[in-house]
Amino acid sequence: RKEVEQDPGPFNVPEGATVAFNCTYSNSASQSFFWYRQDCRKEPKLLMSVYSSGNEDGRFTAQLNRASQYISLLIRDSKLSDSATYLCVAASTDSWGKLQFGAGTQVVVTP
Amino acid sequence: GAGVSQSPSNKVTEKGKDVELRCDPISGHTALYWYRQSLGQGLEFLIYFQGNSAPDKSGLPSDRFSAERTGGSVSTLTIQRTQQEDSAVYLCASSLSFKGYSGTEAFFGQGTRLTVV
Repeated sequence: RKEVEQDPGPFNVPEGATVAFNCTYSNSASQSFFWYRQDCRKEPKLLMSVYSSGNEDGRFTAQLNRASQYISLLIRDSKLSDSATYLCVAASTDSWGKLQFGAGTQVVVTP
Repeated sequence: GAGVSQSPSNKVTEKGKDVELRCDPISGHTALYWYRQSLGQGLEFLIYFQGNSAPDKSGLPSDRFSAERTGGSVSTLTIQRTQQEDSAVYLCASSLSFKGYSGTEAFFGQGTRLTVV
């Protein structure tokens, strides 16, 4: 079983709509969580860190559910430029902070 | 430099040749990762260096692949006797993390696109 699992999608989203997706992690010792964005043929880039209380950055909201071991990302008012693959990342103290990447969720925003 | 630097950006090699890919991490970052990504696929973990600890080599696909990190800084990924299935983008990332701390975000280089012909 992979340590971080994501629905690969694609999630086809009309421009202006809201899309949300989750990722699950298997290591209960995971302490740090991140969402990365990867555009086609580009390197992944940090979108946002995920804090215990949940956090918001503009149109993006990330939430952490420790009891069920998942994190979520919600994108409001989707833009064409939001089309990308979103990678979920977890890190735990029992593995020297090694970041575990999910395989990514593809989002396609359509006009 | 300010970011993670990888070289070369592109490499075309003949099947059976050896290649070396280089990664210069962000100064002071203790952790360094190598991943590879085939077209349309997710990141495939290869190897993880953390400070002076023994590297986590669990992702290396075969004994043709090896990596080292000298002086806790620059890393080289070597692929011996390259095969066509080795063609992919090889990404390096670094982060600041240490034992007992679950780590900060990783920063990626722009990758080396390897084509084996």
